[in-house]
Amino acid sequence: GAVVSQHPSRVICKSGTSVKIECRSLDFQATTMFWYRQFPKKSLMLMATSNEGSKATYEQGVEKDKFLINHASLTLSTLTVTSAHPEDSSFYICSATSSAYEQYFGPGTRLTVT
Amino acid sequence: TQLLEQSPQFLSIQEGENLTVYCNSSSVFSSLQWYRQEPGEGPVLLVTVVTGGEVKKLKRLTFQFGDARKDSSLHITAAQPGDTGLYLCAVSNFGNEKLTFGTGTRLTIIP
Repeated sequence: GAVVSQHPSRVICKSGTSVKIECRSLDFQATTMFWYRQFPKKSLMLMATSNEGSKATYEQGVEKDKFLINHASLTLSTLTVTSAHPEDSSFYICSATSSAYEQYFGPGTRLTVT
Repeated sequence: TQLLEQSPQFLSIQEGENLTVYCNSSSVFSSLQWYRQEPGEGPVLLVTVVTGGEVKKLKRLTFQFGDARKDSSLHITAAQPGDTGLYLCAVSNFGNEKLTFGTGTRLTIIP
């Protein structure tokens, strides 16, 4: 149980375009979903917390107008990187939780902006 | 902001050896998780500890939570190449679901 999927696993886009990444909890209802960013050989950095039916809470320094998060249901959250630039290239990981202690992570999405 | 330092940052040892990696916080936390991440994949949860002094074993892995709830260690016995990966600790605070991740230990087991 506790499976989280992400789609796509890899995406390459041109500078200035927008990219949407989906995060789904497959076998449980997630009260909260989280979006992380990970640079090469670095740890995970929390970008935002997403609760179903409400606005996401962004961490300090994360541009909410650039990284749009929508949490339409208890099993789906989306992250849209708007007007992407090469510096947005990164590994984006989501997680989902139904309890206070444990988060289950998706397999990640590798974004490359050319 | 809670700092979560992991040591060592890198560790490369021979198959069959034992090793310990550490996770230290600047403050007390309510729970701690250990994850292992392989390249190009998301982190996989290994264990959650919530009680000070708690020790949990998962086959060849032994996890210890400090009495003061500010630090933790992960000990691997007879390391195998399949143990290679990035080991991350992560903590959460009372009443808050957010996780703060440690700096990570990149472990390489040489066959």
